[in-house]
Amino acid sequence: GAVVSQHPSRVICKSGTSVKIECRSLDFQATTMFWYRQFPKKSLMLMATSNEGSKATYEQGVEKDKFLINHASLTLSTLTVTSAHPEDSSFYICSASWASGLTDTQYFGPGTRLTVL
Amino acid sequence: RKEVEQDPGPFNVPEGATVAFNCTYSNSASQSFFWYRQDCRKEPKLLMSVYSSGNEDGRFTAQLNRASQYISLLIRDSKLSDSATYLCVVNFNKFYFGSGTKLNVKP
Repeated sequence: GAVVSQHPSRVICKSGTSVKIECRSLDFQATTMFWYRQFPKKSLMLMATSNEGSKATYEQGVEKDKFLINHASLTLSTLTVTSAHPEDSSFYICSASWASGLTDTQYFGPGTRLTVL
Repeated sequence: RKEVEQDPGPFNVPEGATVAFNCTYSNSASQSFFWYRQDCRKEPKLLMSVYSSGNEDGRFTAQLNRASQYISLLIRDSKLSDSATYLCVVNFNKFYFGSGTKLNVKP
């Protein structure tokens, strides 16, 4: 299967700081990347969909000014959590797909565990 | 009503047992279906896509019933390593995830 990496795998930061998470597709060009958040024992919740070279599409209830997404190339998307607060502590997972249409398969990165103190 | 619903379990089964999970979805126009497996504190990993004709991969069999709007996953000859949470995923313009069914395979 396709390989997606994420960096960092774990980050602890102080309240009010910003954290950048990188998502890379290593062996394919990802036309679309997705950012999810997962709280303990809960299902994945889609935050936004990102297409290379265009603005991300955010899900309802997700603040686009707080969660900045940049998809500058076909292999890299970044999520920046700005002015992080303890309630932003979560498991953030990206995924990538390369096909268009409704039958895309998504391949997930290993996730980033964010803890905001 | 949630887009995708799964029994959270846990399903506790002995090694060698056969176990089946179902998942229902609400949007009849959903186009594609998947089962992912997620280990504790790890990312989801694609287990198999689910096709209308049903498909099998080793000990795993997935089926789709469009009329009743559910998909199923059957695991035969369970192994200890099958212990995980199994996520049902339905694609209609975007991926909708079930909350997962937890499987514990015991010696």
